[in-house]
Amino acid sequence: GNSVTQMEGPVTLSEEAFLTINCTYTATGYPSLFWYVQYPGEGLQLLLKATKADDKGSNKGFEATYRKETTSFHLEKGSVQVSDSAVYFCALILMNRDDKIIFGKGTRLHILP
Amino acid sequence: DTAVSQTPKYLVTQMGNDKSIKCEQNLGHDTMYWYKQDSKKFLKIMFSYNNKELIINETVPNRFSPKSPDKAHLNLHINSLELGDSAVYFCASRDRAGTEAFFGQGTRLTVV
Repeated sequence: GNSVTQMEGPVTLSEEAFLTINCTYTATGYPSLFWYVQYPGEGLQLLLKATKADDKGSNKGFEATYRKETTSFHLEKGSVQVSDSAVYFCALILMNRDDKIIFGKGTRLHILP
Repeated sequence: DTAVSQTPKYLVTQMGNDKSIKCEQNLGHDTMYWYKQDSKKFLKIMFSYNNKELIINETVPNRFSPKSPDKAHLNLHINSLELGDSAVYFCASRDRAGTEAFFGQGTRLTVV
């Protein structure tokens, strides 16, 4: 079946460190891929997306590249800030009748000042 | 203007009660969803509707009944609430011609 696997958290980094959160997927067909972010006490916000192979999504200094050959969509940021502390979800949508959004289990990120 | 709005934001109620959560989107989207987020932050789809038609019903107890009076609204009614229903419930909407979904702020349901 279709699924998303992302690295277990929590991830704790110091401010200005380099961030990678791994995400791999299993899908029949060609999914669109997303990273959503959930700040404490809030809903989910779209962080970035990529709709086809080799697309790079970017926003707020975060980047992720759709790698079809490795079925991956790893999230990276060169220099994290305390305000980046949140839970990050990798997700996919397959454009078929049910259009189900499938989420990974989420990775909690703590950034220390 | 909030794109996807849910009410109430917080709901505390006793076991056995019946409660409803309302969701409205002003984006003109065709598809709406309900997701349940547990205490470990895991997001599980419950229902999806497309133009008022039920598309997904994911092994949810029949105490949960979605209602879509029009394509801008998808409400969730829960009968005979149980302790295990305590969670955050998220509504979302999506345009089938587009890709990403837009989420509401969530409703934190606590059953005591």
